[in-house]
Amino acid sequence: DQQVKQNSPSLSVQEGRISILNCDYTNSMFDYFLWYKKYPAEGPTFLISISSIKDKNEDGRFTVFLNKSAKHLSLHIVPSQPGDSAVYFCAASEPEVFSGSARQLTFGSGTQLTVLP
Amino acid sequence: AAGVIQSPRHLIKEKRETATLKCYPIPRHDTVYWYQQGPGQDPQFLISFYEKMQSDKGSIPDRFSAQQFSDYHSELNMSSLELGDSALYFCASVVRGGKNEQYFGPGTRLTVT
Repeated sequence: DQQVKQNSPSLSVQEGRISILNCDYTNSMFDYFLWYKKYPAEGPTFLISISSIKDKNEDGRFTVFLNKSAKHLSLHIVPSQPGDSAVYFCAASEPEVFSGSARQLTFGSGTQLTVLP
Repeated sequence: AAGVIQSPRHLIKEKRETATLKCYPIPRHDTVYWYQQGPGQDPQFLISFYEKMQSDKGSIPDRFSAQQFSDYHSELNMSSLELGDSALYFCASVVRGGKNEQYFGPGTRLTVT
């Protein structure tokens, strides 16, 4: 059972427009959510994160929204640029339950974003 | 800024051989995670270490083992390799107790023939 889901495998947007990538989760224990960008043959690059106590976090062109009641988060990229074309992964983790306990990331299946010039 | 270093970047092994993957975390990061990404799949958690102690295990085969050393670098040892072990192996590091923003290395692409 996939706990983090990205239902859109691909998304194409025009340069300068808004890109909206969506992510749903089922595990109510998740308290931290992250977005990563990945190019082929490279490691995921951290983009932006949000704690479950917030509903919005903004960093430059990137904004993440969290709707806890719907167990849904989204990443907005405005304005989109051709260099944003990559696979975007949503990830989530549970809180640290004891000192030193792991907070491994559970990933969605990714969305391939293509920004057209 | 220093990033996570992984070596080797590419590795080709035959079935039943062994492989060792190395990960050097970002300086002052005390926690290391290993993930495996198969073709067309999302990264899956394998194992993690905090302060040189194993902190959790995910879907890691018994044929695999790992450790973290006093300088915080980590090694993933894989034995009796199978064709299905062909994948990208990522290491990520983070400082425990802060935001769980894990920084990933470039990965090791393991091909088992």
